Amino acid sequence: EDQVTQSPEALRLQEGESSSLNCSYTVSGLRGLFWYRQDPGKGPEFLFTLYSAGEEKEKERLKATLTKKESFLHITAPKPEDSATYLCAVQAVTLAGNTPLVFGKGTRLSVIA
Amino acid sequence: DAMVIQNPRYQVTQFGKPVTLSCSQTLNHNVMYWYQQKSSQAPKLLFHYYDKDFNNEADTPDNFQSRRPNTSFCFLDIRSPGLGDAAMYLCATSRDTLVLGYEQYFGPGTRLTVT
Repeated sequence: EDQVTQSPEALRLQEGESSSLNCSYTVSGLRGLFWYRQDPGKGPEFLFTLYSAGEEKEKERLKATLTKKESFLHITAPKPEDSATYLCAVQAVTLAGNTPLVFGKGTRLSVIA
Repeated sequence: DAMVIQNPRYQVTQFGKPVTLSCSQTLNHNVMYWYQQKSSQAPKLLFHYYDKDFNNEADTPDNFQSRRPNTSFCFLDIRSPGLGDAAMYLCATSRDTLVLGYEQYFGPGTRLTVT
């Protein structure tokens, strides 16, 4: 069964204090791994797609990396506006064709000024 | 801007009174999804349309139905809402993901309250 585990559940950082969020996954074959940001009361906002081990993508203070078993979302010098829940999801390769995303429970990030 | 739009943003219904939530998209994506998300939980997929083909998740209650009259619109019908159906309902779209995993784009959600 495909599984996604995110850690920590919650993370509190001082402004400027860099850190990483972890997404461990178990999937028979990876079609794609996705990172989303979700603010309270809103829909998830797409951040990154990663397809293969060794791939990295960056956007402003965020950098996502991928290995064969996990992905990291690195946050460099975070600001209070980076406070949100960050969701990781994977899509598996199957013979069934279009397959749904499997989401982790998310990491709730709070950045304190 | 191309986007996913959900209406209404907030919906209050009475226990057992049917309710319909709507979603439209300007992205011209052929796959549309409906998710249910409860507080501090991951989104839970209810069903999705691949073009006109309807795909129901095995654990989606029969109380939930969906319609997709055309590429742009999709509706979620809850026939007899119970208190446990109070949640955020998210619509999402993506391109064809048969070969490569494409990201899903989410709407802002409809917050459903059942009284």
